[in-house]
Amino acid sequence: EAGVAQSPRYKIIEKRQSVAFWCNPISGHATLYWYQQILGQGPKLLIQFQNNGVVDDSQLPKDRFSAERLKGVDSTLKIQPAKLEDSAVYLCASSFTAYEQYFGPGTRLTVT
Amino acid sequence: AQRVTQPEKLLSVFKGAPVELKCNYSYSGSPELFWYVQYSRQRLQLLLRHISRESIKGFTADLNKGETSFHLKKPFAQEEDSAMYYCALLYNQGGKLIFGQGTELSVKP
Repeated sequence: EAGVAQSPRYKIIEKRQSVAFWCNPISGHATLYWYQQILGQGPKLLIQFQNNGVVDDSQLPKDRFSAERLKGVDSTLKIQPAKLEDSAVYLCASSFTAYEQYFGPGTRLTVT
Repeated sequence: AQRVTQPEKLLSVFKGAPVELKCNYSYSGSPELFWYVQYSRQRLQLLLRHISRESIKGFTADLNKGETSFHLKKPFAQEEDSAMYYCALLYNQGGKLIFGQGTELSVKP
C-alpha cells in the first residue's frame, strides 16, 4: 500500500514569513497526526484529527500555527509568522487504530 | 504528568553483544507502551508494542509496572540494528503518543 505522503521535503524561510506543509494519509485511515520534532528530541504531537474533526490540539501554538483537514483526507499545517524556534522536522502520521501509527518522511523546516 | 524518559542519547556496542535500551515512564493510568525505530534515511516505524508481546527482529520488551520501565533488549546485536530508537506512551487510549528523546544505537563490526 502507498505510505503517508508529505510535501515539501525541505523548506528554508526567513523569520516572520509564512509556510505551509501538506500531508496525504494512507487511504482509509481516519486519524491523522502532525508532530514537531526538534533536533535531538522525540516527536511532539501538535494536533490530532479524527476524520475532519480535531481531537487534540493542546500543544499547538495557536497564535501562529493552524491546521485543517478538509473532507477528512488531506491535511495542511501552516505557520504564520515563523520564528527561529520553529526550525524542526514536521512529521505527519495516520492510523486506523490507536496502536500503530504510520509516519510520512517529514518536512525539514529551517527558519533563518 | 505523563512523561517518557530515555536516559541514554547514544549506545554503542559491538556486533554480537547484548543490547538494552532503557525506557522509563510516568503515567497515572494503565500504560500502553511502544518502541518505534528510525533507520538511516527511512521513516519512523513501529518496532513493537507491549500488548502483543511479540519478538520483532530479535528484540523484546517487557513492561515492568513496579519499576515503570519498558526496556528494549536483544541478546546479540547486528550491524543492521544501528538506528534511532524511540520509546512511546499511548495517552488515554486516544492515539496521542508521548515520545522519549530517543537513543541512537550504533553497532560496530
